[in-house]
Order: sequence, then C-alpha cells, then structure tokens
Amino acid sequence: GESVGLHLPTLSVQEGDNSIINCAYSNSASDYFIWYKQESGKGPQFIIDIRSNMDKRQGQRVTVLLNKTVKHLSLQIAATQPGDSAVYFCAENLGGGADGLTFGKGTHLIIQP
Amino acid sequence: DVKVTQSSRYLVKRTGEKVFLECVQDMDHENMFWYRQDPGLGLRLIYFSYDVKMKEKGDIPEGYSVSREKKERFSLILESASTNQTSMYLCASSRPAQRQPQHFGDGTRLSIL
Repeated sequence: GESVGLHLPTLSVQEGDNSIINCAYSNSASDYFIWYKQESGKGPQFIIDIRSNMDKRQGQRVTVLLNKTVKHLSLQIAATQPGDSAVYFCAENLGGGADGLTFGKGTHLIIQP
Repeated sequence: DVKVTQSSRYLVKRTGEKVFLECVQDMDHENMFWYRQDPGLGLRLIYFSYDVKMKEKGDIPEGYSVSREKKERFSLILESASTNQTSMYLCASSRPAQRQPQHFGDGTRLSIL
C-alpha cells in the first residue's frame, strides 16, 4: 500500500517464505504498470511489468497480479531470499509514450533469517 | 544490459551555485528522464526528453532546466542551487515505443549547503 509521512510500510518475512507486496494505483486510465526493486545506495531496478489487458504475469520467482476493478497491483515473490531485501515500488504509466512514470512510495521488504 | 551512468554519486555544492548533473545511456534510447527522490515523497519527475534537443516539463520543473545535445546524454541543470534542492537525483532512459520500462542509473546524492 501507499505510505504516509516519512516512514515506508515495512513487510517482514522469513527466509524461504513467499512475500506479497501490495500497491493501490490512482488512475483508472493507466494502462501499463511496473514493479521496481531498489537496494540501498542503488537506483531502481526493473523487475516485471504488466499491461492492462492482462491480469497476471509471471517471471522468475515473481508474479504480478492486476485487479483493475479495485485499481490494485500486487507483487508476489516466491521462496524469499536474503538478496530480496530492498524497497519495492510500483509505478503506473498513463497511456504509454514518453511520459514519466508515477511511482508509489514503496514498501520496505525485510528478510528474517 | 542497459547501462545508465550518472557522472557523480555524491556532490556537495553551495547555495547560489550553478550545478550540472550528467547522465549517459548506452542503449540508444530516445527517451530520457530526470527524477528526484525524497523520503516520504517518493520519485517525482522533473523533466523528460523524447529526442535530441527536445524537452518536456514533468511535475516539478521549477528551479531546474535540462539539455539534450546528443542522444546518449541528458543533463540536469540547477540554475541557482537552493537548500531545498538537496536530494537524490535519478536519471532513466527507455525505448520510444509505448509501454516500455524505464531503466535507471544509481543516482547522484546532491547536498546544497
């Protein structure tokens, strides 16, 4: 979900468990969505994307689900590993093209050993 | 792999100085973007460019300008730096087709004293 104030929502999971990170997007006209991972001291790294004509897309250990009815996006990470610790952002794009993305404020995923 | 390189990881400047942040991408992408990232506010689009010598304002262009003289290079200029421009600056690039992910550099952490 979206954060308020200075603190990101935090999700803490045990190593090996599955993680689900949620995002509510704002614009019903958005037709393209991306999940990014940002590790400390680095820029956002592309994980997976999905177009609005799909409701599910799978990558390596990751699945993105899109529910346009309630404007909700989720990222599922299977068998979470220590290297998955990062801040995860969803981003929406209104109609594609050269416009910049609109980002959610992010969720901090912490992996417990 | 797409490589987006930002010339400085850390930069310290004084109020009133003219500051240049440089970004180079090696994938022949037409689209390039500048964002700033602040705690609690997420990533916000400053300017973008979809071709050489072309520029478009993003959500927060005030106090900034940009230059795109070559396809691979996109510069962000702070005309007269102020303390409220202390931030992490992120450059990104993407292909021109619709619904393409943006690829980010590792950022420049700029402090204005």
